[in-house]
Amino acid sequence: AQSVTQPDIHITVSEGASLELRCNYSYGATPYLFWYVQSPGQGLQLLLKYFSGDTLVQGIKGFEAEFKRSQSSFNLRKPSVHWSDAAEYFCAVGEKQTGANNLFFGTGTRLTVIP
Amino acid sequence: DAGVIQSPRHEVTEMGQEVTLRCKPISGHNSLFWYRQTMMRGLELLIYFNNNVPIDDSGMPEDRFSAKMPNASFSTLKIQPSEPRDSAVYFCASRSTRTGWTEAFFGQGTRLTVV
Repeated sequence: AQSVTQPDIHITVSEGASLELRCNYSYGATPYLFWYVQSPGQGLQLLLKYFSGDTLVQGIKGFEAEFKRSQSSFNLRKPSVHWSDAAEYFCAVGEKQTGANNLFFGTGTRLTVIP
Repeated sequence: DAGVIQSPRHEVTEMGQEVTLRCKPISGHNSLFWYRQTMMRGLELLIYFNNNVPIDDSGMPEDRFSAKMPNASFSTLKIQPSEPRDSAVYFCASRSTRTGWTEAFFGQGTRLTVV
């Protein structure tokens, strides 16, 4: 069965420091991969997505993620974190099968940014 | 487009009462998801529809929960009778499958409190 693992429940970084949020998935075929961000009291906003092609994808707000098939990973990175990046981040995988339409989410990583 | 619209944003009800949550997907989207988010269980998929037809409702907790999509622009999630453990944020999301896989767009959520 498909699954998404975000091993870090909570991460704290200093403003200006680099960030990497981990995501591993379990899926038999090449998946569709997503990172979403959720600010307090808000819905989920798409940061970036990977469907095919270049394995390094760029997203909004200066985020990027790299798809590594050999490691079944899709880690999210940002070279310099801003205080406004404090939020919860969700990795998700979509089924790449005709007619299938499900989207599986990880449990999320809460990011705290300290001055 | 105004995005996915959910109503109400907040709902407080007494145990045993019926609760109806509403969702208007993005125009042209043909898939709709209902998710529930709690601290304990994270983001759970309750049910999703494709072309107004329920495809997978295995995430619906029990018979007290029901969802309908009478047309392409409206869906409801009903809880009858409600219980305190139903307190959560309920999200609706929509996407289009007509041109292959695309990301899901989320509403702002309905925060339900059952007292």
